Amino acid sequence: DTGVSQDPRHKITKRGQNVTFRCDPISEHNRLYWYRQTLGQGPEFLTYFQNEAQLEKSRLLSDRFSAERPKGSFSTLEIQRTEQGDSAMYLCASSLPGTGKPEEAFFGQGTRLTVV
Amino acid sequence: AQTVTQSQPEMSVQEAETVTLSCTYDTSESNYYLFWYKQPPSRQMILVIRQEAYKQQNATENRFSVNFQKAAKSFSLKISDSQLGDTAMYFCAFMNILAGNTPLVFGKGTRLSVIA
Repeated sequence: DTGVSQDPRHKITKRGQNVTFRCDPISEHNRLYWYRQTLGQGPEFLTYFQNEAQLEKSRLLSDRFSAERPKGSFSTLEIQRTEQGDSAMYLCASSLPGTGKPEEAFFGQGTRLTVV
Repeated sequence: AQTVTQSQPEMSVQEAETVTLSCTYDTSESNYYLFWYKQPPSRQMILVIRQEAYKQQNATENRFSVNFQKAAKSFSLKISDSQLGDTAMYFCAFMNILAGNTPLVFGKGTRLSVIA
């Protein structure tokens, strides 16, 4: 297993366009998280899944954002009608709770979105 | 809501020296986990060290150790024998474990530069 992978690594889009990002977690991990990181800030939680169920969404996740994890494996994050304020690094992480240790999140390299 | 504060935006240290990064957090919970994550330039975030709040003993991982002061809500990271590869952003993070592990709450990070 090569870890968490995200695609694309970079995306430049025009304001108003829709974009979709993909995350492939570590195969046995049942939890998958999406975070957003802007320059000079720590990652901010957006949403997470336990298998295919979306358990929590942050207030940061406006109606223009939607995430899916249809078969409990890979996940997609779609942003509709992008705005310049959406420009950020979008990070995906996966984990396997219940190992008896504090849950370690494994992060992908992120998708850097630039809205022009 | 929990908050995590890292009061040092940037720090530098000479190679082979010791450096301490500060982190404070605010929570009304008694049972939680604390983490330090490292984000090297253009690479994914990785776990450095983790601590269960119910354990009084401070966690250590090779050159990395923490000073966990529960009453003061302080969780500092000490890096001994600093190496050039330690240059990175360091994020302190909090996880509430009541009713299942909750998503990580991150601080804004400390940029550490190790100087040869």
